Amino acid sequence: QKEVEQNSGPLSVPEGAIASLNCTYSDRGSQSFFWYRQYSGKSPELIMFIYSNGDKEDGRFTAQLNKASQYVSLLIRDSQPSDSATYLCAVNRGASYGKLTFGQGTILTVHP
Amino acid sequence: GAVVSQHPSRVICKSGTSVKIECRSLDFQATTMFWYRQFPKQSLMLMATSNEGSKATYEQGVEKDKFLINHASLTLSTLTVASAHPEDSSFYICSASRTGFNQPQHFGDGTRLSIL
Repeated sequence: QKEVEQNSGPLSVPEGAIASLNCTYSDRGSQSFFWYRQYSGKSPELIMFIYSNGDKEDGRFTAQLNKASQYVSLLIRDSQPSDSATYLCAVNRGASYGKLTFGQGTILTVHP
Repeated sequence: GAVVSQHPSRVICKSGTSVKIECRSLDFQATTMFWYRQFPKQSLMLMATSNEGSKATYEQGVEKDKFLINHASLTLSTLTVASAHPEDSSFYICSASRTGFNQPQHFGDGTRLSIL
């Protein structure tokens, strides 16, 4: 089992729809969870982070964490073509110095 | 916000050249910085963790004599690819995080290295 696994893509949604990106992790001791967006040819940029069970909202983005199920998700409401990118789930497994374990990424395409 | 600056953004050079890449945290101090490599259509691969004032920690399979890391201050880490060869051509990205638990990593813009 991979340490951090994301739902296989690519994911294609129409403009205005909700895009749902999922991520599971294997280490129950994981402390913090991050979503990054990476456009083709660019470096990753931080979208959201979540530490506690439940939902965290920031604009059109909502991160959801369920530690019992070892599951974290990212919802993008009112998806726009500019949201088309690879989304990376990253997990801090408790390392105090911030080392992250990344999933393989999910490619999202939002079509007009 | 947390800004990480990386340069150069692109390097094209002949085989056998050593290439130095700089990573700076502009508005915060970073005890720890990270160096990644990414090949086309693949995910990030962590190469090493750079610790200010001490030796870097390399991931399994990464040659420490090939990829030299120096973290001389709380705002600067450098990666030197020694005697680069075409197979070292890749996208190199650094990241840094503020000191403290659960801090996110912030990435530089990356360096695209092409060895002819």
